[in-house]
Amino acid sequence: DAKTTQPTSMDCAEGRAANLPCNHSTISGNEYVYWYRQIHSQGPQYIIHGLKNNETNEMASLIITEDRKSSTLILPHATLRDTAVYYCIVRVASLVKTSYDKVIFGPGTSLSVIP
Amino acid sequence: EAQVTQNPRYLITVTGKKLTVTCSQNMNHEYMSWYRQDPGLGLRQIYYSMNVEVTDKGDVPEGYKVSRKEKRNFPLILESPSPNQTSLYFCASSFFLGSSRDSPLHFGNGTRLTVT
Repeated sequence: DAKTTQPTSMDCAEGRAANLPCNHSTISGNEYVYWYRQIHSQGPQYIIHGLKNNETNEMASLIITEDRKSSTLILPHATLRDTAVYYCIVRVASLVKTSYDKVIFGPGTSLSVIP
Repeated sequence: EAQVTQNPRYLITVTGKKLTVTCSQNMNHEYMSWYRQDPGLGLRQIYYSMNVEVTDKGDVPEGYKVSRKEKRNFPLILESPSPNQTSLYFCASSFFLGSSRDSPLHFGNGTRLTVT
């Protein structure tokens, strides 16, 4: 089972900020939160990731709550090209290479940006 | 250009005819993984590999085999394909997340497989 839950779908008006929530209430201390998006049937594209601090890059911002049980991906000025399925996943980081690194994707959130 | 290359992009085959989908990456990544994607089910992990000669099952490994003889290649083998393996397949790679480097997954463009 996926370690994250996301709303199935969301709409956002073009030019407005899109705020996509993700719940990861069972996250452990060494697990990172990663966000990807998939446009049509292309390979998923990396957006941003974080451990506990908020992060920003040229594509988006990531806000992680203090208890780390949830996060929000913010696309500051959504465009029609941001219409996609957005996936929030958690991934463990370990100083010791182990054979355990299942990376589980849930169904994601289908974001529709509306003109 | 840094990339993950899958071949073929499209494949139509018949039940029982062995096939291999190739995956190659040029980024010196330790970690490689295969996913299948079906409508409404998101991406489900088939197998993954932490390094050469190290592979492990994902959530849906039945009916698939993999090998990791070289760091750059991670082929997916269907010994006896069946219609329920009709799907869109993605290969992905990254650095080992425990390293100090950022480790986002890089995905290939996908292989659409149809088994009749």
